[in-house]
Amino acid sequence: TQLLEQSPQFLSIQEGENLTVYCNSSSVFSSLQWYRQEPGEGPVLLVTVVTGGEVKKLKRLTFQFGDARKDSSLHITAAQPGDTGLYLCAGDNAGNMLTFGGGTRLMVKP
Amino acid sequence: KAGVTQTPRYLIKTRGQQVTLSCSPISGHRSVSWYQQTPGQGLQFLFEYFSETQRNKGNFPGRFSGRQFSNSRSEMNVSTLELGDSALYLCASSLDWAEKLFFGSGTQLSVL
Repeated sequence: TQLLEQSPQFLSIQEGENLTVYCNSSSVFSSLQWYRQEPGEGPVLLVTVVTGGEVKKLKRLTFQFGDARKDSSLHITAAQPGDTGLYLCAGDNAGNMLTFGGGTRLMVKP
Repeated sequence: KAGVTQTPRYLIKTRGQQVTLSCSPISGHRSVSWYQQTPGQGLQFLFEYFSETQRNKGNFPGRFSGRQFSNSRSEMNVSTLELGDSALYLCASSLDWAEKLFFGSGTQLSVL
């Protein structure tokens, strides 16, 4: 069974601070996806990383895929209240059959 | 372009009953996947349908079943409901295998 462990589970920070969320596994994934989910809504895809060592940037968000394709990180610079939500990583080895991490619940206070 | 539509939005059932949830994918999307989300287990894959055929199935008991119609709309059924089936059931559609997933807002099922 493939598992993805996310840390931290909860994060409460002030506006303007930086943060990093980690997603680790003992298994190799062909790709890793990051989603954000807001209350009452389904997850929304932020990015997909495919190549080991790959770094992708989405405005203030930086995503990295580990060289061995087993782990990933999400770094947010100068967090804003609008970044509040549940961040989920998901590993993909079989098309749309994703393995999700437990999630990181982020709260950014003004 | 309309997103993924799931109905109903909320559902309350009692133990032993059965329930059917519906999902209308984005127009043109042929793959529909179902996930269960609970506070304890997080998001877990249930099954995926493509062109009316089940392509993948997660580790759930046979009480959980689904189907897809020729217009790509999908339904999932849970029979003999248990308290532990209380969850947010999410449907996601994509153009094809390993393409970007678009999730609906989910159906919140409460089993009393």
